[in-house]
Amino acid sequence: AQKITQTQPGMFVQEKEAVTLDCTYDTSDPSYGLFWYKQPSSGEMIFLIYQGSYDQQNATEGRYSLNFQKARKSANLVISASQLGDSAMYFCAMWGAFNDMRFGAGTRLTVKP
Amino acid sequence: DTGVSQDPRHKITKRGQNVTFRCDPISEHNRLYWYRQTLGQGPEFLTYFQNEAQLEKSRLLSDRFSAERPKGSFSTLEIQRTEQGDSAMYLCASSLSGRTQAEQFFGPGTRLTVL
Repeated sequence: AQKITQTQPGMFVQEKEAVTLDCTYDTSDPSYGLFWYKQPSSGEMIFLIYQGSYDQQNATEGRYSLNFQKARKSANLVISASQLGDSAMYFCAMWGAFNDMRFGAGTRLTVKP
Repeated sequence: DTGVSQDPRHKITKRGQNVTFRCDPISEHNRLYWYRQTLGQGPEFLTYFQNEAQLEKSRLLSDRFSAERPKGSFSTLEIQRTEQGDSAMYLCASSLSGRTQAEQFFGPGTRLTVL
């Protein structure tokens, strides 16, 4: 069965520092996609970054990068140079063989000034 | 505004009543998804459409739930005989096919409260 695990309920980071949010997944399907979304207190889900299972290079989008370790089945999100506006819930998700999207429980990130 | 829109934003209903939500996707997107999110949890996938065809339906979607996308544009999600456990945020998202479901754009959600 497909499963996404985020083991960090909450994380704190100092402004301008980098932070890594952990995500591990479980699937037997060789073809899948991994996603990170941000959900601020306003509630809207904002797409951040995508990694395909066959992609050779780690995905990057501005200050966001995805540390994809296929053998370990991990897809950690790295946010560089944290900003106060980065404070939000962050969800890791996977689309796989069952044609549905599975989300993790999320990590609440708080950026301290 | 060219994003995904949902209506209503909030709905309060009494147990046993029927409710219907609407989602208008980004106009050129052919895929549309429905999710449910309860407080403190990640979204749970309910169903998705490619054009007007409903391609997948989660086992979470009981017989009281039905979704349609009659002309491949907007979609409706109906819950019949609502129960208190249906209280949640209902999220709609859309995307283009052929990009491995990348970049699903979400709407603001409809918050349902069942009294």
